[in-house]
Amino acid sequence: DTEVTQTPKHLVMGMTNKKSLKCEQHMGHRAMYWYKQKAKKPPELMFVYSYEKLSINESVPSRFSPECPNSSLLNLHLHALQPEDSALYLCASSQEGGTGTYNEQFFGPGTRLTVL
Amino acid sequence: AQKVTQAQTEISVVEKEDVTLDCVYETRDTTYYLFWYKQPPSGELVFLIRRNSFDEQNEISGRYSWNFQKSTSSFNFTITASQVVDSAVYFCALSEAEDYGGSQGNLIFGKGTKLSVKP
Repeated sequence: DTEVTQTPKHLVMGMTNKKSLKCEQHMGHRAMYWYKQKAKKPPELMFVYSYEKLSINESVPSRFSPECPNSSLLNLHLHALQPEDSALYLCASSQEGGTGTYNEQFFGPGTRLTVL
Repeated sequence: AQKVTQAQTEISVVEKEDVTLDCVYETRDTTYYLFWYKQPPSGELVFLIRRNSFDEQNEISGRYSWNFQKSTSSFNFTITASQVVDSAVYFCALSEAEDYGGSQGNLIFGKGTKLSVKP
């Protein structure tokens, strides 16, 4: 099973709402990633979890809060977002993260987020 | 500094034509990895290939082939006899083995090439 699932597929939220994006993989991967992708741009890395610990936070505003409850799950909690945060949010996983990593990342289908 | 350049922003071909997507990279590392991903309109990035810096063998997978040349820092992707289903944005990406401030293993993407294959 080489699949990363993400829910919801689409999300519309107001600037005062609190919502969460969910990502799940059952490939036994130990690294999981959140990316943000704006239209006609490449994905931008937001967070990396390696062995359930946050290893990289690419200077993301605190209104985005990641959580890794276990090795298969990754959440992204959203609060007080701005309209410019509207984007496709992609989750990915790879066999391992960290030094010498060369394992390919497998991506989920993404959540299309619209902030009104 | 590490960088991936995909100079072709958009390419349009007619079905059954061959098409080559260019990728040029810059890296300070001697050990690195190169990737191609396909992103159809649905949004999911689909992994196509990984190549490490010590393996310059070209690879063929069905209608897809990749040409890795370290001398020119290029990793080009050719689709033979293109089909409408090949229409997508294709990203070339680089991952370095060394840790430059916590960056090891991260994917550095090019800006992507949008391929449109018309029937």
